[in-house]
Formats: sequence, structure tokens, C-alpha cells
Amino acid sequence: QVTLRESGPALVKPTQTLTLTCTFSGFSLTSAGMCVTWIRQPPGKALEWLGYIDWDDAKHYTPSLKTRLSISKGSSENQVVLTMTNMDHVDTATYYCARFDYSDYVIDQWGQGTLVTVSS
Amino acid sequence: QSALTQPPSASGSPGQSVTISCTGTSSDVGQYNFVSWYQQHPGKAPKLIISEVNKRPSGVPDRFSGSKSGNTASLTVSGLQAEDEAEYFCVSSTGSNRRPFVFGSGTNVTVL
Repeated sequence: QVTLRESGPALVKPTQTLTLTCTFSGFSLTSAGMCVTWIRQPPGKALEWLGYIDWDDAKHYTPSLKTRLSISKGSSENQVVLTMTNMDHVDTATYYCARFDYSDYVIDQWGQGTLVTVSS
Repeated sequence: QSALTQPPSASGSPGQSVTISCTGTSSDVGQYNFVSWYQQHPGKAPKLIISEVNKRPSGVPDRFSGSKSGNTASLTVSGLQAEDEAEYFCVSSTGSNRRPFVFGSGTNVTVL
């Protein structure tokens, strides 16, 4: 059974750095084609793709956030970490991690999401 | 970042059918058969119910079906049941690593 779960702070201050961890089970990120992606949804708005890391440790980011965003493998082989610098009120959103296979671009499993509020 | 357009709400009585549209462009929905649909209950993780336009993952009831015509994909829920009341959203691949996925705006389905 494949599961993913996001963890991290619920509240961050403007200009601070956000660090979220995606802990997953039921698959290996080193398997060919496997990717973990981050997606967010501001309150009342549509989902937005942020970036992904693939089985070969390549990273891809949405151009608008490329200078602030970093996705990496965590200290455990079943973790992926998202880091976003210089947080602003507009970054308030529910952040999801999810899995997809590069061969079919089907996001087949999502985490439950974690709400991050940016406020002083 | 533009999203795929979905109606904000849809409804039907138990046993009826409801169809939700997902309109994109010739660069996403119209170009690729990588359209997926997800069901999300409040506070829960989204669940994949349709992939590649019309494929149902194992365990998804055949009451859920998908189709596509041009730049518009559709999800039909037949024989509505109370547990089908949820948010539904579509996702399309774009074939680009710069933005591999574009998302629908979501449709809240109410079972009357």
C-alpha cells in the first residue's frame, strides 16, 4: 500500500524559510520512473504545481518559484524535503506531496496535505 | 497560472447521473490523453478515480467513467450515491518539465 504524508510547521512568519517533509511508504524513489511532486492550493484557489524530484535525483521547478524553491531527498530513503525561502502571505496554502510515474504522468497517490499559514 | 475550467458545482439525486466538464487548451487536454480525475472528501487525500481519460484504477466502481472531445474532458458519475458527494478535479499533463501538470478548478458535487 502506497502512502504519503506531509509534515512541517502550520505557521511561519513572513520572510522565514518553510521546510516540509514528505514521508512515504510502499514504493522506492530509486525505482526507474518514480517521481515525488509537490503541489499547493491557496484557500479558494486552484491547485498549483510546484516541482518534483525523480528517481535519478533530477529536480524540476515551476519557473515562477525557481529561485525560492528546493526539493531534495531527505535523511531517510523514504523522505523528500521541500524548502521555500522568503515566505509571503500569498504562500499561505495547503501543501501536498504526491507520487507519479514518469512513463504515464499519472499522479496516483497523494498525501492528505498540510495547511501552512504565513502570518506575523 | 491558468487552470483547467470546471463548473464550481453540480448536483443530482440518488440514482441519477451527473457529468462534470474540464476544459483546457490544445496544449494540454487537447494534445494529450493524460487526463486524470480525482475525488476528494473534506480533510482527506485526493483519490484517483480515472486516469488517461477513461481508465479506472482497480477498486473504482464502474459508475465512474471518463471521456474527452477536443479540449474538453468529462467525468460522469452514474447511479449517484450519498458517498459520491465530494470535490472532483481534473489534471492534465502538458508534456513539459517546466510545468508537467495543469489542474482543474474543482467541482463540488452534491447528492440531493
